[in-house]
Amino acid sequence: AQRVTQPEKLLSVFKGAPVELKCNYSYSGSPELFWYVQYSRQRLQLLLRHISRESIKGFTADLNKGETSFHLKKPFAQEEDSAMYYCALYPGGNKLVFGAGTILRVKS
Amino acid sequence: NAGVTQTPKFQVLKTGQSMTLQCAQDMNHNSMYWYRQDPGMGLRLIYYSASEGTTDKGEVPNGYNVSRLNKREFSLRLESAAPSQTSVYFCASSEDSPRGYTFGSGTRLTVV
Repeated sequence: AQRVTQPEKLLSVFKGAPVELKCNYSYSGSPELFWYVQYSRQRLQLLLRHISRESIKGFTADLNKGETSFHLKKPFAQEEDSAMYYCALYPGGNKLVFGAGTILRVKS
Repeated sequence: NAGVTQTPKFQVLKTGQSMTLQCAQDMNHNSMYWYRQDPGMGLRLIYYSASEGTTDKGEVPNGYNVSRLNKREFSLRLESAAPSQTSVYFCASSEDSPRGYTFGSGTRLTVV
């Protein structure tokens, strides 16, 4: 079965500290993976996707097929990074499978 | 440049009442989706439509119906609302899933 696991419901870090939001997936094929973000009172929006190998707002995510992971990282957290983050898997069939989400709180 | 528009933004229903959540997109996307967002459960797919005239069940379709009225509009109907349907509902559209979804702003529904 296709599944996305985000083990942390809440991650709290201090401003300037490194951030790692964990995401593990279960999928037998070649995965397409994404990170979506929802800032307070805003709609969900695409943050980045592994196929683009891009860095958005200082965040990066590397697909590790051996560990079936797609962790989101940022070396120095900023207060404006506080949001809900969702990892998502595209297993085909024209739809995404989302994880439960992780709330990131960056404290000053 | 509205993107995906959902109405209403908030709604309170009594158990057993019916209502329709509306969603429209102006990006000429083929695919549209309805998700519900619950704490600790993430986003779960209710129904989706890969193209005009087609609809398919997602992970949690029970208690819901959908209509893909045309390419722009995809509505979600609760025929007999139950407290378990209290949630935030998101509509989304995509041209091609790997390129990412565009989400609406959500409808917060409370069933009492």
